Amino acid sequence: KAGVTQTPRYLIKTRGQQVTLSCSPISGHRSVSWYQQTPGQGLQFLFEYFSETQRNKGNFPGRFSGRQFSNSRSEMNVSTLELGDSALYLCASSTGGGLPDEKLFFGSGTQLSVL
Amino acid sequence: AQKITQTQPGMFVQEKEAVTLDCTYDTSDQSYGLFWYKQPSSGEMIFLIYQGSYDEQNATEGRYSLNFQKARKSANLVISASQLGDSAMYFCAMREGGTGGFKTIFGAGTRLFVKA
Repeated sequence: KAGVTQTPRYLIKTRGQQVTLSCSPISGHRSVSWYQQTPGQGLQFLFEYFSETQRNKGNFPGRFSGRQFSNSRSEMNVSTLELGDSALYLCASSTGGGLPDEKLFFGSGTQLSVL
Repeated sequence: AQKITQTQPGMFVQEKEAVTLDCTYDTSDQSYGLFWYKQPSSGEMIFLIYQGSYDEQNATEGRYSLNFQKARKSANLVISASQLGDSAMYFCAMREGGTGGFKTIFGAGTRLFVKA
């Protein structure tokens, strides 16, 4: 069974640009969650998508958005990039049952550098 | 307020010895899940162990065990017989409910160094 695939692995952008990150979950998983990881803030929850709908959202500005397609693949978009957006963006897939025991399967992440 | 607290930014352990990584959590939910994940230098987070809030027995997975003390709201990870490959970041996480359903939140992590 293929794992969670995130593309691209690395990205370099400049301030003001926008960026789109992609995540393909494990086959059969219907939920995709996104996290931002920085040395100072740790892992911060961005949002979760389930069956093409945003089910949960963290405390990030509206510049951060996402969507999920009918095949459960998800994209995350960040508009008007700021230096502070430099981070490792992790995608996690899960079955989507919405229960407390639902474990997350992570991709290798996309390392975004904003110059 | 921090929901997941890991007070040890870094820990050292001698190879083949046991080590305990601390984690305390804060929730008013009755039903929640507690997890530990490992993040090697490659960056990919790996699930290690799970404990449900209603589980009376401490969870074990091979060399990993979770010391669950519900009244103290602690969920410490114990790694027995440490190996060099255990050197990594370890994150405690909690899955709790909210208006949008359950979501998983993470602590700041503990970096473990295993010495030969």
